[in-house]
Amino acid sequence: SAVISQKPSRDICQRGTSLTIQCQVDSQVTMMFWYRQQPGQSLTLIATANQGSEATYESGFVIDKFPISRPNLTFSTLTVSNMSPEDSSIYLCRVAGTTYNEQFFGPGTRLTVL
Amino acid sequence: QKEVEQNSGPLSVPEGAIASLNCTYSDRGSQSFFWYRQYSGKSPELIMSIYSNGDKEDGRFTAQLNKASQYVSLLIRDSQPSDSATYLCAVGVNRDDKIIFGKGTRLHILP
Repeated sequence: SAVISQKPSRDICQRGTSLTIQCQVDSQVTMMFWYRQQPGQSLTLIATANQGSEATYESGFVIDKFPISRPNLTFSTLTVSNMSPEDSSIYLCRVAGTTYNEQFFGPGTRLTVL
Repeated sequence: QKEVEQNSGPLSVPEGAIASLNCTYSDRGSQSFFWYRQYSGKSPELIMSIYSNGDKEDGRFTAQLNKASQYVSLLIRDSQPSDSATYLCAVGVNRDDKIIFGKGTRLHILP
């Protein structure tokens, strides 16, 4: 199974600032996705991180607020911009390989915005 | 808007009994279905996937799929206290491995 790390594991940020979250995989993966899980809620897909091109965002999420990079097949970043307390959440990356069973979540980044 | 619906629970089941978790989905074109387990404070872990109508068994877990009824279920036999977790039903929405999740069912196994 793939080993996935996320940095930072947690952070406390001030309103109006930005935070960049990194997702690193120990092997090349086909697809990478970013999700948000707000307290007591399920996972909401933010976007698909496309290697070498712009990310594909889900309804309700925009590039200006959540810019995403994916420079290669093992790494992606998600930036949460101009943060507000409503952005307090756990942010997770999910990776998928060549079969549906080859899919794993990173450990998550717990973000608190004051 | 594609949706996945689950009863939030909590579902309490005595140790050793069968736990039954249910899920319905709105997109009739969905072809792939998953059950994840999430312990408190941890990220979700894939435990079962199913693509064809019928049953699929893996150890104590059985996934059941009925595409005509747009219904997926997970049975856990011989429930153990370690099975206490939130179980997330997820559905694939296209061929690019994109999946959406239900809100999860909290399962509590009573010792």
